[in-house]
Amino acid sequence: EDQVTQSPEALRLQEGESSSLNCSYTVSGLRGLFWYRQDPGKGPEFLFTLYSAGEEKEKERLKATLTKKESFLHITAPKPEDSATYLCAVQAAGGSYIPTFGRGTSLIVHP
Amino acid sequence: DVKVTQSSRYLVKRTGEKVFLECVQDMDHENMFWYRQDPGLGLRLIYFSYDVKMKEKGDIPEGYSVSREKKERFSLILESASTNQTSMYLCASSGAGTGELFFGEGSRLTVL
Repeated sequence: EDQVTQSPEALRLQEGESSSLNCSYTVSGLRGLFWYRQDPGKGPEFLFTLYSAGEEKEKERLKATLTKKESFLHITAPKPEDSATYLCAVQAAGGSYIPTFGRGTSLIVHP
Repeated sequence: DVKVTQSSRYLVKRTGEKVFLECVQDMDHENMFWYRQDPGLGLRLIYFSYDVKMKEKGDIPEGYSVSREKKERFSLILESASTNQTSMYLCASSGAGTGELFFGEGSRLTVL
């Protein structure tokens, strides 16, 4: 069974304090790993797809990286507007196209 | 841009009422999904559909049904709402064979 574990559950940072969120996964062959951002009371918004170990994607202050067992979402010099819940999901190769989601990391960036 | 539109952002219903939640996507996506999201439980898949008139149960289908008569529209039905169905409901769509889901804004349902 595919599993996705995100840590920490919650993270508080000061503005400008860089950090990383972790997504550990167990899947029988990875087809893709996805990161989403979810603002309170809204639906998740797609951020990145990573397909193979060593791949990196960047968007503004966010950089996602992938190894064979985990992915990191690095946040460089965060701002209060980066506050959100970040969700990770994996899709297994050769199986159902339905992604398995982690429970997310709630990030709060204080000014 | 992909747009997934959910018919109602906020609903308040009484126990036993029938509830319809509608979702429309404008990107000709084959796959559509209904999730519910509760604090501490994350996203849980209720039903999904990979084609018109096709549907598959997700992890928590009990108490729900779905309808997909047209490719762009996927409806979630609560035949007799109960208080434990108070939740945020999220619709999503994706293209064939792809894993990126595009979500609607969500429908927050309160059952009294």
